[in-house]
Amino acid sequence: ELKVEQNPLFLSMQEGKNYTIYCNYSTTSDRLYWYRQDPGKSLESLFVLLSNGAVKQEGRLMASLDTKARLSTLHITAAVHDLSATYFCAVDRGGNRDDKIIFGKGTRLHILP
Amino acid sequence: DTEVTQTPKHLVMGMTNKKSLKCEQHMGHRAMYWYKQKAKKPPELMFVYSYEKLSINESVPSRFSPECPNSSLLNLHLHALQPEDSALYLCASSHVLRTTNEKLFFGSGTQLSVL
Repeated sequence: ELKVEQNPLFLSMQEGKNYTIYCNYSTTSDRLYWYRQDPGKSLESLFVLLSNGAVKQEGRLMASLDTKARLSTLHITAAVHDLSATYFCAVDRGGNRDDKIIFGKGTRLHILP
Repeated sequence: DTEVTQTPKHLVMGMTNKKSLKCEQHMGHRAMYWYKQKAKKPPELMFVYSYEKLSINESVPSRFSPECPNSSLLNLHLHALQPEDSALYLCASSHVLRTTNEKLFFGSGTQLSVL
């Protein structure tokens, strides 16, 4: 059974600081997603990571994937208040199957001005 | 058009009511999903449709009845719900063959309250 674990589950940090959110998953996967969700809103896709060593960056966010370690990280550089949200990683096996996409519990990020 | 449209945005219903949630996309996606999300929890998969056929049912109670009348539409029929079914219901879509940078596109959700 595919399990996805994120840590930390809650993070409060000062503006301008750097931090990393971790996502571990339990079985082989060739596809990992990062989503952002603001309170009361839907999920916004941030990154899709497909292969070992994949790294993607958008603004102050950078995501990476290590399929051998079954680990993805979301790194926040010089955080700003607008990045306050809940961040979810999600994993599936992709390919030619309409497979389950399983979400981690989410990391609630609160950035203090 | 890269949107998944869900209606209604908010719904309040009694335990004896019958209601339906609707989801529509025009991106040519042939996989469509229903997720349930309680406050401060991750989305939980309920159903997956692939090529208009139900392919995954995550042991969801029969008071939730999905329907996929065509490749653009996905419904969730609700009957005799319980207060614990109150949640945000999210629809999503994707290509079935998820290659390259394919991802799930989510609708804005229906916030359901069962009284």
